[in-house]
This record gives sequence, C-alpha cells and structure tokens, in this order.
Amino acid sequence: KAGVTQTPRYLIKTRGQQVTLSCSPISGHRSVSWYQQTPGQGLQFLFEYFSETQRNKGNFPGRFSGRQFSNSRSEMNVSTLELGDSALYLCASSLGQPSMNTEAFFGQGTRLTVV
Amino acid sequence: AQSVTQLDSQVPVFEEAPVELRCNYSSSVSVYLFWYVQYPNQGLQLLLKYLSGSTLVKGINGFEAEFNKSQTSFHLRKPSVHISDTAEYFCAVSSQPDRGSTLGRLYFGRGTQLTVWP
Repeated sequence: KAGVTQTPRYLIKTRGQQVTLSCSPISGHRSVSWYQQTPGQGLQFLFEYFSETQRNKGNFPGRFSGRQFSNSRSEMNVSTLELGDSALYLCASSLGQPSMNTEAFFGQGTRLTVV
Repeated sequence: AQSVTQLDSQVPVFEEAPVELRCNYSSSVSVYLFWYVQYPNQGLQLLLKYLSGSTLVKGINGFEAEFNKSQTSFHLRKPSVHISDTAEYFCAVSSQPDRGSTLGRLYFGRGTQLTVWP
C-alpha cells in the first residue's frame, strides 16, 4: 500500500512569488491535513480537508490556502512568499470515517526555501 | 484549548541504557495521545498511540508509553536504546472526535532530540 506522497520534495522560491505544494493521501483516506515545521515555531497546524471541504483551520494568514479534489488529493498554495515561509511542509492523511479515524500518516514533506 | 509540553529538548544517552522522554498535556476534553519519531529530512512516523483502555501502550522498535490521567502525562520509554534510535521525538494530542467528525488537528510538543552515543 503506497504511503502519503508529497511533491516536490525540495523547492526554492524568491520572495514575492507564489508556490503550490501537492499531497496524495493513502488510497481510501479522505482526510488530509497540512502542517508547517520550522525550528522556531515547531509543528503548526495549517488546515484540514475532508471530502473537499475545509474542516479546520490554523492561525495562518490568508496567503496560505488549500483545496482538496474529489480523489482526495490536496494542494496548498502560498502567495506573496516571505522569508519566514521557509519551512518543511508536512501533509498527513487519515481515514476520516467516524469511529475509525484514529491515526494520521505523514508524508516525507516538502522543504521550501524562500530566498 | 490543548497544549503539549515536552520537558526536555535534548536527551543524550549511551547505547544500551534505558531512556524516558517526558510529555505532559493539558486539555479540558478526552484526548487521544501519540508519539511520533522524525529522522533527518524525513516526515513523521507513528511510534505508538493511546486511544482508550490499557494505560500501558506498546509501540514499534521496542518503545512503550504510559498514560497517566491524573498527572496528564504520556511519557515514552525504552529499556535499552540503540544508536539507530537517534532522532527527534514528538508527543502529540488530539481531541477524541465526535461521532461524524474527523480526527481534526494534532497539537504537537516542541520535540525532544534523542542522541544515542556508542
């Protein structure tokens, strides 16, 4: 069974640009969450999608957005990049079904560097 | 609101010694508890989880953790560590989801870097 796949693994962007990261969850999983990991702030929750709907949102500015497609794949977008957006972005998938939804599986992450 | 405190940012130990990584949480609701491990340039791998039932939980790679509700703790232990256990360990908590809802967000501690020396 394939795990959570995040693409690309590494990305270098310039301040002011925008970027799109992709996440393919484990087959059959309907919930996708995104986290930002930085040395200064640790792991912070960005948002969660389930059945193409955003279910939870963390405390990030509107430059951070996401979406989920009908096949459960998810993308997150960051517009007007700032140096502080440099981070490892992790995607996690879970079943999303009541009483069965007890574990999140993480991808290897996308390392974004803003210069 | 929930929060997780990992009391030690770095834990150095010698190979074959026992280790305990401490985790305390605060929450006003029933929770699920997790320990994840992260190797350099990798994502997070689940070591073990507490959902309900027995307070002693066994995970992969010989790790175990004990849920203590009165002390709101979920400490991770291993009786004998190996050099390959060198990694960063994260404790996480989530609210037990209501019927019909998803797992929701995980709240993570700041991590504990475990370094095993030969």
